[in-house]
Amino acid sequence: AQSVTQLDSHVSVSEGTPVLLRCNYSSSYSPSLFWYVQHPNKGLQLLLKYTSAATLVKGINGFEAEFKKSETSFHLTKPSAHMSDAAEYFCVVSDAGGTSYGKLTFGQGTILTVHP
Amino acid sequence: GAVVSQHPSWVICKSGTSVKIECRSLDFQATTMFWYRQFPKQSLMLMATSNEGSKATYEQGVEKDKFLINHASLTLSTLTVTSAHPEDSSFYICSASSSGASTDTQYFGPGTRLTVL
Repeated sequence: AQSVTQLDSHVSVSEGTPVLLRCNYSSSYSPSLFWYVQHPNKGLQLLLKYTSAATLVKGINGFEAEFKKSETSFHLTKPSAHMSDAAEYFCVVSDAGGTSYGKLTFGQGTILTVHP
Repeated sequence: GAVVSQHPSWVICKSGTSVKIECRSLDFQATTMFWYRQFPKQSLMLMATSNEGSKATYEQGVEKDKFLINHASLTLSTLTVTSAHPEDSSFYICSASSSGASTDTQYFGPGTRLTVL
């Protein structure tokens, strides 16, 4: 079985300050982990993914995430927030085996607000 | 690359009618397509998985006779909501994957907002 918990439903930061969106996962097999972003009235866009290669994954728009197996975490960070980063972010897990193979399980989402 | 489109982007229908939503992968061949629904202020919930040329696999609790899925080609999957009722109003999102593997990226369509009156 697989599950994802996003620890914050809302995060608010000032433009130019760091962003941290927290995610913990549970997986019975070696998981693949993804972060997607959803802007209002837009489709989901892939930010980055982890698939058992390097544990520090760099994505688009300056985002990166670190896979920590011992902590079952996959937190998303960005050194300096831009106004355009305001959106909803989803942490997603996909199991490498079992009945959930190839299926995505989404976290509840974190709404990021960026203040000028 | 990896663009997925959905049509229509929004639809309003009367209770009891059927609505068809199309999902197309525009620049790659999608062996596997997925259908999700998203209620307001909630996350995406997987409804079903479809592989080209095969019957769809539905998640527990999803009525396969109500949500008909067809994946007739490597670039097109359709979801038909039959005899729609107001509780079927939701945001329906499809995604496409070239292999369906757990490591494979799913590319998402922009979604279809269904309102049943």
